[in-house]
Amino acid sequence: SAVISQKPSRDICQRGTSLTIQCQVDSQVTMMFWYRQQPGQSLTLIATANQGSEATYESGFVIDKFPISRPNLTFSTLTVSNMSPEDSSIYLCSGGRLGELFFGEGSRLTVL
Amino acid sequence: LAKTTQPISMDSYEGQEVNITCSHNNIATNDYITWYQQFPSQGPRFIIQGYKTKVTNEVASLFIPADRKSSTLSLPRVSLSDTAVYYCLVGDLGGYSTLTFGKGTMLLVSP
Repeated sequence: SAVISQKPSRDICQRGTSLTIQCQVDSQVTMMFWYRQQPGQSLTLIATANQGSEATYESGFVIDKFPISRPNLTFSTLTVSNMSPEDSSIYLCSGGRLGELFFGEGSRLTVL
Repeated sequence: LAKTTQPISMDSYEGQEVNITCSHNNIATNDYITWYQQFPSQGPRFIIQGYKTKVTNEVASLFIPADRKSSTLSLPRVSLSDTAVYYCLVGDLGGYSTLTFGKGTMLLVSP
């Protein structure tokens, strides 16, 4: 298995600011992903974080709003830019290896 | 993109066997079926994965009929700690973006 650590675990932010979430995996994974989960809802895939290149975004998510980096096989960041209250959610980092997804505990973001 | 359909919720009692069925009518030849469990305030956790027939591990069994258009997750003798949301995902092992989460099944286990 793989252990995924996310920082921060939670934060309260002001409207219009940006926040970067860090994700560290304790072992190599083939792919890394970022999901968003609203309270009581399922997970929605934001993007696939590609090592050394631009992330691949799902419909409804754009790079300007959610810039993602993945400088190596075990680390990735997601930035939520120019936040609004609608961005309040749990953001989850995931690593994939051999068809299995490993998840972090998530970062709970509240935007005031 | 194979879509999955699960019951929104299920109720059970401690010690009972729980079977959660997932429909995936347009599963592709290369697709595997994977089940995840999610507790509140935690990320999903892998339970079991299979391609056809039956797979069993220390926590669950997965039954997949020959046509693979559905699958059933079986949890033997559930306990209160099995109360969680269970997600059925379908996708090939190389294309992780096809592992799209559906709405999941909220299982409530009562004493």
